[in-house]
Formats: sequence, structure tokens, C-alpha cells
Amino acid sequence: QQQVKQSPQSLIVQKGGISIINCAYENTAFDYFPWYQQFPGKGPALLIAIRPDVSEKKEGRFTISFNKSAKQFSLHIMDSQPGDSATYFCAASKGFNKFYFGSGTKLNVKP
Amino acid sequence: DAGVIQSPRHEVTEMGQEVTLRCKPISGHNSLFWYRQTMMRGLELLIYFNNNVPIDDSGMPEDRFSAKMPNASFSTLKIQPSEPRDSAVYFCASSLSGGPHEQFFGPGTRLTVL
Repeated sequence: QQQVKQSPQSLIVQKGGISIINCAYENTAFDYFPWYQQFPGKGPALLIAIRPDVSEKKEGRFTISFNKSAKQFSLHIMDSQPGDSATYFCAASKGFNKFYFGSGTKLNVKP
Repeated sequence: DAGVIQSPRHEVTEMGQEVTLRCKPISGHNSLFWYRQTMMRGLELLIYFNNNVPIDDSGMPEDRFSAKMPNASFSTLKIQPSEPRDSAVYFCASSLSGGPHEQFFGPGTRLTVL
């Protein structure tokens, strides 16, 4: 049973455009929702994270929107750049230790 | 800071052989995680340790897989005997437990079982 569902599987965006990746979860006990960024040949690295007590968190060009009632959260990348081309994973956890990762979204930002 | 260190970075072996993957977590971190990444199944948590004690090994696929953490600075993931379906990238990650602390991932070990 997949705890966190992520879409789309792949995404192509023009430079300067907005990239949007969506995730949905079922377990209402989850209390921490990080996004990880992975470049080819590298391990995933934390990009931004949110707790369910806020509806939005912004760090630079990256924003997480969180909808607790719908059990959904999304990553928005504003002014997308070719250097943002990577695979993005959402995750959820209860108690911060065991992370359930989404299946990943491969983002390609065209110059 | 050297980050999480994994060795080897690449491993090619034949079916039936024993494989040992190694991990050195970030100094001071007390939680350690082993993940497996494949195209088909994505990123799966295999096992995690807290203060060197295995807490959840429900993701370990079968008895051929075993993991140990003899001390705070070293962990191994062993596959014996290895099978072609074990081919994947294996990541080790570490963090501080007890709060929303970032999991820092190592560079991974790409395992190919022929």
C-alpha cells in the first residue's frame, strides 16, 4: 500500500515557468512533510519541509502549499531554471523518523 | 564536514555471492537509515536504527538481507546470497532523532548482480 502518492511522474517546463508537483496522503497521523531534490548520481537532499499547522511555506523560489482537509500538499517552483532539472520526492512521516516517500517526479526545465 | 560516507560506490557481483555495503553516518547523528532505490519501486526504507538499535526492519525484503550497527559510526547492509533482482542503488542516511531533523543522504552504492 503506497502511503504517499505523487504526480506527475515527469514534467517539462520552459525556463521562467512555474513547476507544480502534487502529493496526496492517507494517514492523518502524519505530521511532517519534506520535499527532497535528487540530481543524477547523487543522494536526495532536503529542499523544503512543512508541518501541518501551516498552509504554506516559502523559501526563495520554492513554495509548499498544504491542504490538511484534502490531505494534499504540493511543491511550486517559481521562475524555474535549467539548474532545477532533477528528480523531486515528497515524503511524509509521523514522529520524524520513518519517512514514506512518493514515487518521484523527474523535472526537465528547457532553456 | 564529510557528510555520510558510503562504500563501495559501485559493486558488480555474480548471483549467489555475498555483498556487504558500508556506511559511516555524520558524526553526532544518532539515527541511521538504509534505503533502496529502483525505477520500479522508487525509494524504499529497508531498516532504520536509533542509537545503534534496529527500530524498524519491516522493509527488509527477505532473510537474505541483514543490517548491523556495531557502533555509532559504522553500519553494514549485507545480502547473502545476492540475486539479480537485488540490483539497485542503496542509500544510507543519518539524522538526529527526536524532532523534524533533516535526513542527510550518502552518495549511494550502485549494486549490479549478474
